[in-house]
Amino acid sequence: GAGVSQSPRYKVAKRGQDVALRCDPISGHVSLFWYQQALGQGPEFLTYFQNEAQLDKSGLPSDRFFAERPEGSVSTLKIQRTQQEDSAVYLCASSLSSVRSYGYTFGSGTRLTVV
Amino acid sequence: EDQVTQSPEALRLQEGESSSLNCSYTVSGLRGLFWYRQDPGKGPEFLFTLYSAGEEKEKERLKATLTKKESFLHITAPKPEDSATYLCAVQVGSQGNLIFGKGTKLSVKP
Repeated sequence: GAGVSQSPRYKVAKRGQDVALRCDPISGHVSLFWYQQALGQGPEFLTYFQNEAQLDKSGLPSDRFFAERPEGSVSTLKIQRTQQEDSAVYLCASSLSSVRSYGYTFGSGTRLTVV
Repeated sequence: EDQVTQSPEALRLQEGESSSLNCSYTVSGLRGLFWYRQDPGKGPEFLFTLYSAGEEKEKERLKATLTKKESFLHITAPKPEDSATYLCAVQVGSQGNLIFGKGTKLSVKP
């Protein structure tokens, strides 16, 4: 597609529920990133994929967070046993192999509200 | 610790009133400094990348500059459609993940 697509756009989860957030990157983009953006804050790095390999997951806040990109295209961010502090916008971004040349293209994000 | 600080947090301008946004950074090894624009309910939109002190880039009414400690986003004769949150970010690793500031929320009144 023309841009990075994320679904759902909005998700309301009850505390303790598991959720799965989907990201469809731009076709051919090798690098894929997940960020978390709390209200009034800048995005914070969660994890990075190069094709299907997860090369950096240092930003995942706990072992309840898990991300995968099994075929090197679509990625899913899963949050188990959601807590109120998980409420945020989850942004996905993709780029061609060199961020230096192209920057990122971000999706519009999934707004997660845990009640 | 790598850090990015943006100021001011919010800026209100009249249409046509030029101004600058500041991004100061403390990082162990800068690989690139990025400026993004973010509209409500949308993801950040890429504007510029700067790589070395003294570099400048322009796009329409926006001009970004870089020194060894900070970057400025200059807005010349802004219009109401320039209203948005402007985010600054730095890349310090080779993999491309960015450290963002909290942003400057710009409002331009007609």
